[in-house]
Amino acid sequence: NAGVTQTPKFQVLKTGQSMTLQCAQDMNHNSMYWYRQDPGMGLRLIYYSASEGTTDKGEVPNGYNVSRLNKREFSLRLESAAPSQTSVYFCASNSPRGYNEQFFGPGTRLTVL
Amino acid sequence: AQSVAQPEDQVNVAEGNPLTVKCTYSVSGNPYLFWYVQYPNRGLQFLLKYITGDNLVKGSYGFEAEFNKSQTSFHLKKPSALVSDSALYFCAVRSNNFNKFYFGSGTKLNVKP
Repeated sequence: NAGVTQTPKFQVLKTGQSMTLQCAQDMNHNSMYWYRQDPGMGLRLIYYSASEGTTDKGEVPNGYNVSRLNKREFSLRLESAAPSQTSVYFCASNSPRGYNEQFFGPGTRLTVL
Repeated sequence: AQSVAQPEDQVNVAEGNPLTVKCTYSVSGNPYLFWYVQYPNRGLQFLLKYITGDNLVKGSYGFEAEFNKSQTSFHLKKPSALVSDSALYFCAVRSNNFNKFYFGSGTKLNVKP
């Protein structure tokens, strides 16, 4: 049981390049999330997916797109990276029943030059 | 609207002393509150949660939290700090209507020998 996995762990991009961050969970959770973590700002929700086939914007969706490929996988795409997107990105999942906690992946550290 | 405030960027405590990490919240409806810990270069790990019931909630690694409805607070506590408790701590509140979570800005706990 790997929990939540993310790839890659590190990435350096040039401004304007695109990339996709991958996330997968093996806990049969319905809900999945993408956050970014910046110093002094905590975690901010980019997008979330309440269940397979649905996605919704969070607090800071601009510049990002997501795909809930199936129940296990939830990807985050940067179409044209900007230096302001330099951050650490975390994927999380949970089961919405019973007000359950979230499980987090190890993160992707992204630098945009 | 839901929000969480962690008023202290950093808390310093000596090993063996009690520690408190503060959290206040603002929610419409019933509060569902969580504490997470983040060690360097790792994802967040769940510590404990308050959903309903006893105001004192016990969690992992000897941590506990006290829910205070009148003061809208959910402070994290531990009777005797360990050097290994040094980490970044996040308080979070779950939205009542959706399975979304809102995080505080985080508090860095430093436990000195």
